Amino acid sequence: DGGITQSPKYLFRKEGQNVTLSCEQNLNHDAMYWYRQDPGQGLRLIYYSQIVNDFQKGDIAEGYSVSREKKESFPLTVTSAQKNPTAFYLCASSPWAGTGELFFGEGSRLTVL
Amino acid sequence: QKEVEQNSGPLSVPEGAIASLNCTYSDRGSQSFFWYRQYSGKSPELIMSIYSNGDKEDGRFTAQLNKASQYVSLLIRDSQPSDSATYLCAVNMNYGGSQGNLIFGKGTKLSVKP
Repeated sequence: DGGITQSPKYLFRKEGQNVTLSCEQNLNHDAMYWYRQDPGQGLRLIYYSQIVNDFQKGDIAEGYSVSREKKESFPLTVTSAQKNPTAFYLCASSPWAGTGELFFGEGSRLTVL
Repeated sequence: QKEVEQNSGPLSVPEGAIASLNCTYSDRGSQSFFWYRQYSGKSPELIMSIYSNGDKEDGRFTAQLNKASQYVSLLIRDSQPSDSATYLCAVNMNYGGSQGNLIFGKGTKLSVKP
């Protein structure tokens, strides 16, 4: 079955630690995205990638980093510079960039202790 | 300022009724509009997209778009308890042709009572 796999689903981190969230898709989509969702809030774009080896900052990129070395993979690193990292992180993909028809993974819930 | 506004709810309707969810947006040049459904603790799922003025129907769902008034709505006919979820409105605001300008509203929580 085609889809997007995020891991881990739940992650606990101590302050000052970097953590990496995995996102893999087998939909053969060119574009991939990372969103953050806080309680009662809409989705906010962290980073997006239109094509392999290219990515762009979204509205809230500070304290995060990404890479896109393979079409299938778009990992997100939450660095210690992110002041309030506790959130629900959603990875998404689309056949091409610029469409609003996104396919989401199941999400990763990060809690900073 | 890129904004998509939704009433946070909760919107409570009885089973079998029509649920009406509304969304307004700030950018008059926006071209594409989307409704996502998100169950509690889960990820969003696309249920409707609309690109031109008027109505678009898909089963029990109807999306309505009025670009002149800058609003988009979602009607759910014969509402079922399984429709209870948060509905996110998303608008694609293309600024200067740049990508990644899909703006989400905060969502309206719908509760369908048996």
